[in-house]
Amino acid sequence: EDQVTQSPEALRLQEGESSSLNCSYTVSGLRGLFWYRQDPGKGPEFLFTLYSAGEEKEKERLKATLTKKESFLHITAPKPEDSATYLCAVQPTTSGTYKYIFGTGTRLKVLA
Amino acid sequence: ETGVTQTPRHLVMGMTNKKSLKCEQHLGHNAMYWYKQSAKKPLELMFVYSLEERVENNSVPSRFSPECPNSSHLFLHLHTLQPEDSALYLCASSQVGGLGNTIYFGEGSWLTVV
Repeated sequence: EDQVTQSPEALRLQEGESSSLNCSYTVSGLRGLFWYRQDPGKGPEFLFTLYSAGEEKEKERLKATLTKKESFLHITAPKPEDSATYLCAVQPTTSGTYKYIFGTGTRLKVLA
Repeated sequence: ETGVTQTPRHLVMGMTNKKSLKCEQHLGHNAMYWYKQSAKKPLELMFVYSLEERVENNSVPSRFSPECPNSSHLFLHLHTLQPEDSALYLCASSQVGGLGNTIYFGEGSWLTVV
């Protein structure tokens, strides 16, 4: 069964304390893996799309990496405004092109 | 306007009311989605429309009725809802075809059923 698991469920960091969020996935084939940021009461905001193992993408303090079994979202020197829930999703090749499997997210809190 | 816009952002309705959620996408995509997001649960796919045809309906109760008049607009008609239907309802769009298709979300419509 296709599955996405995110860890940790919640993370508290001091401002400037770098860390990584994990997204483990189980699919027989990967069409794409997606990272989103979600603020309370708002829709997910797109961050990155990764297609194949070894791929990396960066945006400001965020860097996403992909292996055959998991993806990491690295946060370098985070600031309080990086506090949000980060969602991971995969689009399997074995399902229709409309199917996305979402994790339950990692709630990040960055303290000043 | 850019991206995916949803109205209203907040809605409170009684169990006997009828209301509608509206979504418009400005990305030129050919597929539109309704998702339900409840606390501590993964996003739940409700409906998918591709080129104005419904292609997926994930066993959603009939008190939720979608409508897609064209490729840019999507509605979710609500009637005789239950308190457990209170949630964040997200509209999304994507361009189907080729590699992984990034799905873009609207700001959501926060629904409270009283």
